[in-house]
Amino acid sequence: GAVVSQHPSWVICKSGTSVKIECRSLDFQATTMFWYRQFPKQSLMLMATSNEGSKATYEQGVEKDKFLINHASLTLSTLTVTSAHPEDSSFYICSAAQGDQPQHFGDGTRLSIL
Amino acid sequence: KQEVTQIPAALSVPEGENLVLNCSFTDSAIYNLQWFRQDPGKGLTSLLLIQSSQREQTSGRLNASLDKSSGRSTLYIAASQPGDSATYLCAVPFSGNTPLVFGKGTRLSVIA
Repeated sequence: GAVVSQHPSWVICKSGTSVKIECRSLDFQATTMFWYRQFPKQSLMLMATSNEGSKATYEQGVEKDKFLINHASLTLSTLTVTSAHPEDSSFYICSAAQGDQPQHFGDGTRLSIL
Repeated sequence: KQEVTQIPAALSVPEGENLVLNCSFTDSAIYNLQWFRQDPGKGLTSLLLIQSSQREQTSGRLNASLDKSSGRSTLYIAASQPGDSATYLCAVPFSGNTPLVFGKGTRLSVIA
């Protein structure tokens, strides 16, 4: 079946640093990738949608200059959390879709900012 | 704007019981509906996907139904086991390549 690989799975870093999270579709070409965020005991909330070769579309309230998304190829999207602060600590999860096929999810990245 | 609600928020049952998890959505214009399982601190495992034209899907001890017109779906788990303990999420997309709108989930505990 379709596999999406997300790295790293867990990051702990100091406040002010930048963190890059990678999302790769291993056996299919992902025309669209989605980035979600999940705070403790909350549901997954969409942060942004990215289509290969074009700029990401961000949801209301998500700072595009803080959460940089790059979708440079059909198999890779990256989310960079710039100048991370403790309030950015969350579970970040990506999904990838090919055309109108169901999305496949990565295993998520737990980000802890000290 | 689509909203997805799941009831109950938490459920604790003894092993062996059959149980039903509920999901409702406000906009019936959905492409499909998915049920996921999420273990603590982990990603999502897709359990069942029901296309908008379908009324139910079955996989092992799991059965999911969809009533699109009334905006409801149920996930039936037969003969529950402690290994079924997890959070169950339902989610709907507006169309095939649009993001999923998730409910807050039902946290299930099956007691041995």
